Amino acid sequence: QKEVEQNSGPLSVPEGAIVSLNCTYSDRGSQSFFWYRQYSGKSPELIMFIYSNGDKEDGRFTAQLNKASQYVSLLIRDSQPSDSATYLCALRPMDSNYQLIWGAGTKLIIKP
Amino acid sequence: KAGVTQTPRYLIKTRGQQVTLSCSPISGHRSVSWYQQTPGQGLQFLFEYFSETQRNKGNFPGRFSGRQFSNSRSEMNVSTLELGDSALYLCASSLRAGGELNEQFFGPGTRLTVL
Repeated sequence: QKEVEQNSGPLSVPEGAIVSLNCTYSDRGSQSFFWYRQYSGKSPELIMFIYSNGDKEDGRFTAQLNKASQYVSLLIRDSQPSDSATYLCALRPMDSNYQLIWGAGTKLIIKP
Repeated sequence: KAGVTQTPRYLIKTRGQQVTLSCSPISGHRSVSWYQQTPGQGLQFLFEYFSETQRNKGNFPGRFSGRQFSNSRSEMNVSTLELGDSALYLCASSLRAGGELNEQFFGPGTRLTVL
């Protein structure tokens, strides 16, 4: 069974810190990876996706993918209290009609 | 462009009743996926519809069903409600089914409480 593992947290860091959120997966055939942010009581919103090994940067966010080690991470630089949310990792395997497989999410708390 | 809309936003039902939830995808999006989310759980996939056809189904009992209309709007139905069905039900739309970079956009969800 394909799985996506995330540390549930909560991860609590001071404002301005660099945050690293990690996600490991079991399916070597996974092709694309997504990071979503979900504020309490709200629905998930897409932060970014990555499909090639290496880094992809978008503002204060950087996604890192290492397919050989089967992990994907999300770095948040200069973290802000508004970044406090649950971060969900999802991947799209090659089979299963491309249905996304989701991690349970990591709760992040940024302390002012 | 309007986002994904879901109705109703909140619903309270009693055990044994049935419920129908509605989702209108982003204009031009033809794929609709439904998820159940409970506290401490990740998103649990229910089913996906594309062009009025169910493409994919998660591991839920037959009490959970859905359909999609020609205008891509989708409904899901839960019959014989159980206490454990209390959850946030999320609908996500995407431009097409499958594909590597096919991002999903979520609606605000319907919070169902079963008493």
